[in-house]
Amino acid sequence: DVKVTQSSRYLVKRTGEKVFLECVQDMDHENMFWYRQDPGLGLRLIYFSYDVKMKEKGDIPEGYSVSREKKERFSLILESASTNQTSMYLCASRGVWKGELFFGEGSRLTVL
Amino acid sequence: EDQVTQSPEALRLQEGESSSLNCSYTVSGLRGLFWYRQDPGKGPEFLFTLYSAGEEKEKERLKATLTKKESFLHITAPKPEDSATYLCAVRTGGSYIPTFGRGTSLIVHP
Repeated sequence: DVKVTQSSRYLVKRTGEKVFLECVQDMDHENMFWYRQDPGLGLRLIYFSYDVKMKEKGDIPEGYSVSREKKERFSLILESASTNQTSMYLCASRGVWKGELFFGEGSRLTVL
Repeated sequence: EDQVTQSPEALRLQEGESSSLNCSYTVSGLRGLFWYRQDPGKGPEFLFTLYSAGEEKEKERLKATLTKKESFLHITAPKPEDSATYLCAVRTGGSYIPTFGRGTSLIVHP
């Protein structure tokens, strides 16, 4: 079974702090995604990586950056957290010849 | 622009009361339609992929069907443990990025 592991299930940070969200997948998938999910807004794509060191902006990249130095790991970075970044963050991976995404359990971030 | 619309937004059923969830889409060059289940506070879990009109997939009480404009997720004799949000997504030929609908929140009362 594909396993996508997100480093933290719950985080509480203060405004202005730098936040790292880590995601690791164990199925040698080429594609990895970071989404945020808010009530009434659905899933919104922040960044996408189609291979190591490759990344593309999604629909809402402002205030975020990403890093993909190794195939299995995709990190989301909030350089200076703000209260409007309080949300559920979901990481997903996908094999290049597949269509379905495999999601992690999510990281719920609260910024005070 | 690809669009995916799910209806209803919320659905309440009694245990055993069968119903259907709808996912309508406007895309060019469909490469797959995907259904996911999401429990509260967790990540979505993949259920089915459908590739062409007329295709059907089943898993326990769930059956997914596909036409050229929409997909249905039929739930037969649901149980309370089927309560979840069901998400639909499509992937088209020209994009790496799937387009998700906003989901249908299903509550099944005992």
